[in-house]
Amino acid sequence: GAVVSQHPSWVICKSGTSVKIECRSLDFQATTMFWYRQFPKQSLMLMATSNEGSKATYEQGVEKDKFLINHASLTLSTLTVTSAHPEDSSFYICSARSSRGVTDTQYFGPGTRLTVL
Amino acid sequence: GENVEQHPSTLSVQEGDSAVIKCTYSDSASNYFPWYKQELGKRPQLIIDIRSNVGEKKDQRIAVTLNKTAKHFSLHITETQPEDSAVYFCAASPWPGGKLIFGQGTELSVKP
Repeated sequence: GAVVSQHPSWVICKSGTSVKIECRSLDFQATTMFWYRQFPKQSLMLMATSNEGSKATYEQGVEKDKFLINHASLTLSTLTVTSAHPEDSSFYICSARSSRGVTDTQYFGPGTRLTVL
Repeated sequence: GENVEQHPSTLSVQEGDSAVIKCTYSDSASNYFPWYKQELGKRPQLIIDIRSNVGEKKDQRIAVTLNKTAKHFSLHITETQPEDSAVYFCAASPWPGGKLIFGQGTELSVKP
């Protein structure tokens, strides 16, 4: 089956530093990946749509200069949280779209727990 | 803008009872409605989905109904078991590969 990985699974950083999160599709090519953020006991909120070889499309209210997304290959998208602050502490989850089979399907990564001190 | 409302936020049932979770969406362009089960600290897992050209879909103890005119869809779990306890999310999207707009989630607790 289709597998999506994320690295790291958790990270703790100091306020003001930048953190990079990787999302990889391990056994399929993903022209599109999505990044979600989930605060404790809340829903998943779409942050941006990442398309291979082009600029990401950000949802309203998401600062594109703070959350840098790069989708340089068909199997890798990265999310960089720049100048992280405690309010950025959250669970970040990516999903990758697979076009194998009869119809498109999205597969979620395991998530990355970010804690900013 | 796009919005998905989900109710109830918490639901407690006795083992063997049925559980129903309801969602309403706002975007008329939505044609794909998946349901996810998420355990604490884990990724969402797709449990069932339905497309706009279908009114009902069933998979063993789980069923989903869709009323496209009213823009609402529901998840039905029958013969609930303690392992069904988790947070359930509905979502809406224009198509299976499109961006997902999630409901607020329902924390289901099944008591033995």
